[in-house]
Amino acid sequence: AQSVAQPEDQVNVAEGNPLTVKCTYSVSGNPYLFWYVQYPNRGLQFLLKYITGDNLVKGSYGFEAEFNKSQTSFHLKKPSALVSDSALYFCAVRDISNYQLIWGAGTKLIIKP
Amino acid sequence: SAVISQKPSRDICQRGTSLTIQCQVDSQVTMMFWYRQQPGQSLTLIATANQGSEATYESGFVIDKFPISRPNLTFSTLTVSNMSPEDSSIYLCSVEDREETQYFGPGTRLLVL
Repeated sequence: AQSVAQPEDQVNVAEGNPLTVKCTYSVSGNPYLFWYVQYPNRGLQFLLKYITGDNLVKGSYGFEAEFNKSQTSFHLKKPSALVSDSALYFCAVRDISNYQLIWGAGTKLIIKP
Repeated sequence: SAVISQKPSRDICQRGTSLTIQCQVDSQVTMMFWYRQQPGQSLTLIATANQGSEATYESGFVIDKFPISRPNLTFSTLTVSNMSPEDSSIYLCSVEDREETQYFGPGTRLLVL
């Protein structure tokens, strides 16, 4: 069965430090991987995706993610965190059989000044 | 990316009543999705709504409880029927663009008393 895991419920980072939000997946075939962000009381916003090509994908707001096939991971990263990055982050993988997104449980990112 | 609006943004309803949520997109899209999300938690897919065909419901969701309309390529409605407090949630619509990326509306916050 296809699945996505976000092993950390919450990640705390000091402002200015690098941040990583972890995501691992289990799919059959080539994965389509996505990151979304949800700010408080807001809808989900698309950050970036990997379908094919370069393993390092750059997205909105200075975020990037690295696709690692051997480790089946797609961790979200940013070199220098901002307080405004504090939000709920979701990793998702596209189920090629029915085009639906399979969602991780979400990781709450808290950036402290 | 598509711009998606939802109405109402929030509502408080009495048990036993029904609420219809509207989702409007600024461009024509084939695939639209309706999700439910408890605050701070992951998304649960209710159904997929493609124009010109009946909506496809996920396990645990039935048409009598969540009827969906998809009259054209830019609009859809989700009705939450005979509501109970357990239906209190955030309801999100999303669309998939031609690059296989889902974009989300701002959500409808529903409280059932």
